[in-house]
Amino acid sequence: GEDVEQSLFLSVREGDSSVINCTYTDSSSTYLYWYKQEPGAGLQLLTYIFSNMDMKQDQRLTVLLNKKDKHLSLRIADTQTGDSAIYFCAEMEDQAGTALIFGKGTTLSVSS
Amino acid sequence: EAGVAQSPRYKIIEKRQSVAFWCNPISGHATLYWYQQILGQGPKLLIQFQNNGVVDDSQLPKDRFSAERLKGVDSTLKIQPAKLEDSAVYLCASSLGSGPDTQYFGPGTRLTVL
Repeated sequence: GEDVEQSLFLSVREGDSSVINCTYTDSSSTYLYWYKQEPGAGLQLLTYIFSNMDMKQDQRLTVLLNKKDKHLSLRIADTQTGDSAIYFCAEMEDQAGTALIFGKGTTLSVSS
Repeated sequence: EAGVAQSPRYKIIEKRQSVAFWCNPISGHATLYWYQQILGQGPKLLIQFQNNGVVDDSQLPKDRFSAERLKGVDSTLKIQPAKLEDSAVYLCASSLGSGPDTQYFGPGTRLTVL
């Protein structure tokens, strides 16, 4: 079955770069997503990448995709305390249903 | 533009009781999803609607869970009877079409079953 795996915890200092990693198993996945969840809030889409791309940059966020290794990463430049949250990697398969398959989330803690 | 609305935000019930959650998607969004998020895990799909038809309910425990979207807009998710393991946050999401459109999530309903 499908499985998305992430490291559970990352701690960085304010101003440093954060890199959150994710591996997925379904090679037919067409889109891969990064969502952010703050305490008590719903999921906020940060960015997504189509499977035929290697990289996508959006302001402080850089997504790298290694399709051969099924590895996805999210880099946050100049990490701020407001970036502290849980980050979820998710994949969407190329099937009739378009539901997302999520990892367990990586808790990012930013200290000042 | 208003986001996805859900109610109630919190619900505490005893096991074997019934509970219902309501979701109002973003206006014009044809696709609606219900996800279950157990503490410490990522959301898991329960059911997906396209307008008022079911696209995928393969992971919905149909012996106790039911969902409907009668007019293709609002949706309700019901649990009857609830079990302790149903304690979770129930997230509703909507998207414009049926392809890989952005899914917008509501704030969720936190259910505690005692």
